[in-house]
Amino acid sequence: KQEVTQIPAALSVPEGENLVLNCSFTDSAIYNLQWFRQDPGKGLTSLLLIQSSQREQTSGRLNASLDKSSGRSTLYIAASQPGDSATYLCAAYMNRDDKIIFGKGTRLHILP
Amino acid sequence: EAQVTQNPRYLITVTGKKLTVTCSQNMNHEYMSWYRQDPGLGLRQIYYSMNVEVTDKGDVPEGYKVSRKEKRNFPLILESPSPNQTSLYFCASHSGSTGELFFGEGSRLTVL
Repeated sequence: KQEVTQIPAALSVPEGENLVLNCSFTDSAIYNLQWFRQDPGKGLTSLLLIQSSQREQTSGRLNASLDKSSGRSTLYIAASQPGDSATYLCAAYMNRDDKIIFGKGTRLHILP
Repeated sequence: EAQVTQNPRYLITVTGKKLTVTCSQNMNHEYMSWYRQDPGLGLRQIYYSMNVEVTDKGDVPEGYKVSRKEKRNFPLILESPSPNQTSLYFCASHSGSTGELFFGEGSRLTVL
């Protein structure tokens, strides 16, 4: 069964620290991997999309990497701010059956 | 502006009263899907559509119906809502070329 796992489920770090969120997937045959941010009770905002042929993507303080062979993606957040507090979800688009599988997210809390 | 629009955003209804949640996208995407999000369970796919008149069940289709008569619209129908369908619902679309997923703002449904 194809699965996407995000560990830890929750994370608290002091403001200003750099941090890494993890996303692992069981099937390396992915078309792309996408990271989202979700504020409580709100919609999903796309942060970064990495195609299978790419190794990383950057947007401002965010950097996402993809290593298909190890089944891992990471989202690096530099110089964290209280406004970064949210739940971060990753989603893997699987080649095998054209399905998009979501992780359950990491709830991030940046301490002022 | 590229967007997925769903309505209503908030709805309180009673058991058994049929309702429809509309979803429309302006990006000419072939793929559209519906998800529900519940605490601790993450995002679960209800139905998806790969093109006009082509729909298929996702992971939790019971109690829901969909139709895809036009490429831009993908309504979700609850013929006889029950309290266990109280949830936050999201519509999403993506193209077959990039696979980038776009979400609507969400519809919070409460069934009494």
